[in-house]
Amino acid sequence: GAVVSQHPSRVICKSGTSVKIECRSLDFQATTMFWYRQFPKKSLMLMATSNEGSKATYEQGVEKDKFLINHASLTLSTLTVTSAHPEDSSFYICSAPRGDAEAFFGQGTRLTVV
Amino acid sequence: KQEVTQIPAALSVPEGENLVLNCSFTDSAIYNLQWFRQDPGKGLTSLLLIQSSQREQTSGRLNASLDKSSGRSTLYIAASQPGDSATYLCAVSGSYQLTFGKGTKLSVIP
Repeated sequence: GAVVSQHPSRVICKSGTSVKIECRSLDFQATTMFWYRQFPKKSLMLMATSNEGSKATYEQGVEKDKFLINHASLTLSTLTVTSAHPEDSSFYICSAPRGDAEAFFGQGTRLTVV
Repeated sequence: KQEVTQIPAALSVPEGENLVLNCSFTDSAIYNLQWFRQDPGKGLTSLLLIQSSQREQTSGRLNASLDKSSGRSTLYIAASQPGDSATYLCAVSGSYQLTFGKGTKLSVIP
């Protein structure tokens, strides 16, 4: 079946540094990918929609300059958390829909900013 | 390894009917369980979040229950409407892990 690979699965970084998270669709092309964030004990929330070859669409309240999204190819989208702060510590997960059918999820990335 | 199963995979009902979607999980050591709605080509919309210490949550026509010991959750939709047609996903949060079911595709026929 279709697989979406997300890397890294866990990352610890120092406050002020930037972290890049990759999301790859391994056996299908994804013109759209979604990035989500889940804070502890909270619901998973959509952050942004990544569109291949164009700018990402951000949900209300999500800072586009802080969460840089690049969807440079049909199989790769990246989320860069810039100048990370402890409050950015969260679980980030991507998904890629295959056509209008099911969406496949990455394994998720646990980010801890110290 | 956590496994999440949703039954049925697809469901078609006439408008106005009440319906139940099922979600089961193999590892009861969870932090919470969430139900989502997914429309074609769109991102997930969070419907209900049940913490591991809770037994149910309600929002409008939706009611979700959680029986952690038996590894089951249900999503009850009352008085279904054509606008409820979508794929419904459940997901369980464990330690550093979020596991999704494959979803139930619901079609509500006018």
